[in-house]
Amino acid sequence: DTAVSQTPKYLVTQMGNDKSIKCEQNLGHDTMYWYKQDSKKFLKIMFSYNNKELIINETVPNRFSPKSPDKAHLNLHINSLELGDSAVYFCASSPRGAGYGYTFGSGTRLTVV
Amino acid sequence: AQRVTQPEKLLSVFKGAPVELKCNYSYSGSPELFWYVQYSRQRLQLLLRHISRESIKGFTADLNKGETSFHLKKPFAQEEDSAMYYCALGTDKLIFGTGTRLQVFP
Repeated sequence: DTAVSQTPKYLVTQMGNDKSIKCEQNLGHDTMYWYKQDSKKFLKIMFSYNNKELIINETVPNRFSPKSPDKAHLNLHINSLELGDSAVYFCASSPRGAGYGYTFGSGTRLTVV
Repeated sequence: AQRVTQPEKLLSVFKGAPVELKCNYSYSGSPELFWYVQYSRQRLQLLLRHISRESIKGFTADLNKGETSFHLKKPFAQEEDSAMYYCALGTDKLIFGTGTRLQVFP
């Protein structure tokens, strides 16, 4: 009964490939997020969706495209993967914006070779 | 500008020593502040919210608006406290500091 689940946990792929990461939350939260944690452990927001609507889109290459089929799911598709995309990607959700704190998924470790 | 600063990348202490992880923020409104903890290769977990004024695993944090700080404290560190700690500011999103790695030696 994991609250926020991400798949896959690990992803190793070659440069130029296209890959997707899936995220699902069963908490009934309205808002979902994608964060990137780089090799220095810095955490930076990429996207935020509220009830399937994109509300935050930070400066992220347009090779990254989020998709929210319903408010319980937020997937991340990445085209033409580059070496610099290697990182841990965390999905998170919150009931009503950041003031209530987030619940995070366990992360997807993406390695581009 | 909205910003969270954690000046220490690494803090090393011995078991039983007091710990203080520093966090300063920059925000013009009324801040929502959090501490998150990430144990090795695990998900981030919410440790504290300033508005709940609770103590989790012996950790406390007090919001000081005058100094724009929200330092995390524990009087006696334990080896299992070794982890990465992030201070975060809640606005329309969570803005994280760069994190402080706490190492507690036996």
